[in-house]
Amino acid sequence: DIQMTQSPSSLSASVGDTVTITCRASQSIGNSLNWYQQKPGKGPKFLIYGASSLRNGVPLRFSGSGSETEFTLTISSLQPEDFATYFCHQTYSTVPYTFGQGTKLEIK
Amino acid sequence: EVQLVESGGGIVQPGGSLRLSCAVSGFTFSNYWMHWVRQAPGKGLEWVSRINTYDSFTGYADSVKGRFTISRDNAKNTLYLQMNSLRDEDTAVYYCARDANYGSDPFDYWGQGTLVTVSS
Repeated sequence: DIQMTQSPSSLSASVGDTVTITCRASQSIGNSLNWYQQKPGKGPKFLIYGASSLRNGVPLRFSGSGSETEFTLTISSLQPEDFATYFCHQTYSTVPYTFGQGTKLEIK
Repeated sequence: EVQLVESGGGIVQPGGSLRLSCAVSGFTFSNYWMHWVRQAPGKGLEWVSRINTYDSFTGYADSVKGRFTISRDNAKNTLYLQMNSLRDEDTAVYYCARDANYGSDPFDYWGQGTLVTVSS
């Protein structure tokens, strides 16, 4: 199974800041990497696919980059609605698909 | 508008069974692979199972293989998860999710989840 490791596990930031979350795969996954946002009590919301392609309607302050084993999610100019937990997800090797453990972004 | 609505969760004793349903609307259900993903309280996401468009190709996480069965009824626009021999560690919110079927096949729509609690 491919292990996905996110860092940091939690992060404090202020409105207007820029933050970066890292996701590392235990083996090369090309660009088969997706990002999701989850708020308490809700199902995850899909943000980015193919490591760097933004879903239609997702604000441009979200961006993704990386390939092979190292990936990043960057959120520029944080807005109040961005405080949530973020998960990476690999779809290179299926059964099982695997997720990172999550990064909780909190307001400082 | 795409909607996925899970139901069927509840409290069950260890060794018991439960069947979850996911009713979908707003898209042609039969065109999409579907998944179940679970989240234990305060924990991350764990993929559980997937099914192809016509109920002929399925996959399971090792943690549920042999105990859970995924199925679908394309005429009823509904996805199912039959859970047998439930264990304490199966306690989680269970989400159904649609496979986008493009790019890196992200799960592009998710339901709100249904809580399964396994406890004596």
